[in-house]
Amino acid sequence: DAKTTQPPSMDCAEGRAANLPCNHSTISGNEYVYWYRQIHSQGPQYIIHGLKNNETNEMASLIITEDRKSSTLILPHATLRDTAVYYCTDDTGNQFYFGTGTSLTVIP
Amino acid sequence: GAVVSQHPSRVICKSGTSVKIECRSLDFQATTMFWYRQFPKQSLMLMATSNEGSKATYEQGVEKDKFLINHASLTLSTLTVTSAHPEDSSFYICSLRRGRAEGYTFGSGTRLTVV
Repeated sequence: DAKTTQPPSMDCAEGRAANLPCNHSTISGNEYVYWYRQIHSQGPQYIIHGLKNNETNEMASLIITEDRKSSTLILPHATLRDTAVYYCTDDTGNQFYFGTGTSLTVIP
Repeated sequence: GAVVSQHPSRVICKSGTSVKIECRSLDFQATTMFWYRQFPKQSLMLMATSNEGSKATYEQGVEKDKFLINHASLTLSTLTVTSAHPEDSSFYICSLRRGRAEGYTFGSGTRLTVV
């Protein structure tokens, strides 16, 4: 079952940075942190992942605390198309379980 | 990430009939695929892990005789909802990945409505 906790919802103004937090209270040393998002009525989409270091790609940045107990997904300039449910997870490499996610609404 | 094709995207069936959903890996041979179900306004729930050439592993509470999974080739896994009832109406999604260094790739989902 999911081992991460996220706030159920957040709003963000269009053009501003969206910072989505996640607690990984039971994460172990070999588990990666992954982020996905699901736009309404579509399959989930991979965003980014990391182990210990902060990561950045064309979609987002990922900040992982030194103790790895929490992470933050950053969408630097949110657009209306970023409105979606965002899921974080600890990945052991086997089954993948979704938590409840954060519903992000980008407001014009 | 990997490329996944899932179909049909939508299906409406009568109560008591069976429905087959296909999930194809288009660019690599997937020994493992995953099937999820999502009810409205809820998160995705892992139903089973599909293993090529062997029996699927079902999550607790998922009826293996009702949700038949066949992973007969390295590029195709199928989920058959047998004797469907209205409570089986849901969004079904498959996923796979090439390796741990990559994220999971998900199909576009199948919206099943049982009437």
